[in-house]
Amino acid sequence: DAGITQSPRHKVTETGTPVTLRCHQTENHRYMYWYRQDPGHGLRLIHYSYGVKDTDKGEVSDGYSVSRSKTEDFLLTLESATSSQTSVYFCAISESGGPSYEQYFGPGTRLTVT
Amino acid sequence: AQSVTQPDIHITVSEGASLELRCNYSYGATPYLFWYVQSPGQGLQLLLKYFSGDTLVQGIKGFEAEFKRSQSSFNLRKPSVHWSDAAEYFCAAYGSSNTGKLIFGQGTTLQVKP
Repeated sequence: DAGITQSPRHKVTETGTPVTLRCHQTENHRYMYWYRQDPGHGLRLIHYSYGVKDTDKGEVSDGYSVSRSKTEDFLLTLESATSSQTSVYFCAISESGGPSYEQYFGPGTRLTVT
Repeated sequence: AQSVTQPDIHITVSEGASLELRCNYSYGATPYLFWYVQSPGQGLQLLLKYFSGDTLVQGIKGFEAEFKRSQSSFNLRKPSVHWSDAAEYFCAAYGSSNTGKLIFGQGTTLQVKP
């Protein structure tokens, strides 16, 4: 299994509070991704990174920011959590961005915003 | 815009029966297509992928998928389902840029009856 960990695995927070989710990898892969999973929507890309300090938006980036100061860590921040951000968040990594490079997924973080 | 559709939200089959999960895509050029499986409480695992060439691709765990350009479909099949196949299955297509962006279908939940 690819070495991907996510922390925390579960979190309950209140509306309006900031939240940071962490993805840590031990594979030295260049690309890292944050997805959210919601019933009826599958997985949707929030942000991705193609190197240290290099990030870009996905299809559902509003209300989220990311940072990558080291190859192994990719942080997802909800500056002011809303109930619509209740979801399961998955991190993924890949060696490069081309289609032949498999994306490996972490175990997920279940976030509940009350 | 590129999209992936899985028409069946939930499917129930008896153990030992055959399985077919449907996936339709919309994309002008030849797409790169994937099937992932998600066991309860787990991340996603790649089952198989199609890039080009032979339209029937074999994957892990006895799964196969057939690409049909005329029908814009990439259906997943298994001749004999096992109880351990109960999971959620996602079809995905690679985005048009070389960024690793995957576009996922809504997912199909497979229930296996004893």
